Amino acid sequence: GAGVSQSPSNKVTEKGKDVELRCDPISGHTALYWYRQSLGQGLEFLIYFQGNSAPDKSGLPSDRFSAERTGGSVSTLTIQRTQQEDSAVYLCASSSMDGAEAFFGQGTRLTVV
Amino acid sequence: RKEVEQDPGPFNVPEGATVAFNCTYSNSASQSFFWYRQDCRKEPKLLMSVYSSGNEDGRFTAQLNRASQYISLLIRDSKLSDSATYLCVVTTSETYKYIFGTGTRLKVLA
Repeated sequence: GAGVSQSPSNKVTEKGKDVELRCDPISGHTALYWYRQSLGQGLEFLIYFQGNSAPDKSGLPSDRFSAERTGGSVSTLTIQRTQQEDSAVYLCASSSMDGAEAFFGQGTRLTVV
Repeated sequence: RKEVEQDPGPFNVPEGATVAFNCTYSNSASQSFFWYRQDCRKEPKLLMSVYSSGNEDGRFTAQLNRASQYISLLIRDSKLSDSATYLCVVTTSETYKYIFGTGTRLKVLA
């Protein structure tokens, strides 16, 4: 596709359930980022993938959070045993190379009830 | 100290005013700098990259001061449509991880 695509756009889940959020980056982009944004807050870095290098997971808030990137393209962010404080917009971005402009998807709005 | 700091605002300015935002960063190895714009409930979008020599795009001017470790964004002749949150972004040569400031809210008033 022309841009970064995220799915689902909205997700409502019950506390304690697992969720998977998907990101399709722009074709050919080697760098992929996940961020979280709570209402009225700034972007919180979660994880960064770059090519075949080990991902930078330093922003993942707990071991309930994990992410994969298969074949250097699609990425999945998994949140296990969701909690109400996980409610936020989860944004994915990709860029063509280190230090280049990053393009964002429209985000997945996660609501844990 | 946060890696990237911005005044959260809001900056309330009348149409036609000139407004400037600063953003400071703590890592002297920072390599690339950007300003992003985020409208309410939308994803961030690149406004402009910030080059060492400074750069201008229409009513917008970005500057980098490496010695003092800050970048600035100047908006001239503000329009109502400029109302948004402006995010400062810094990457380092070590990780290239995008580090965002918390953003500065701008409201342009009629």
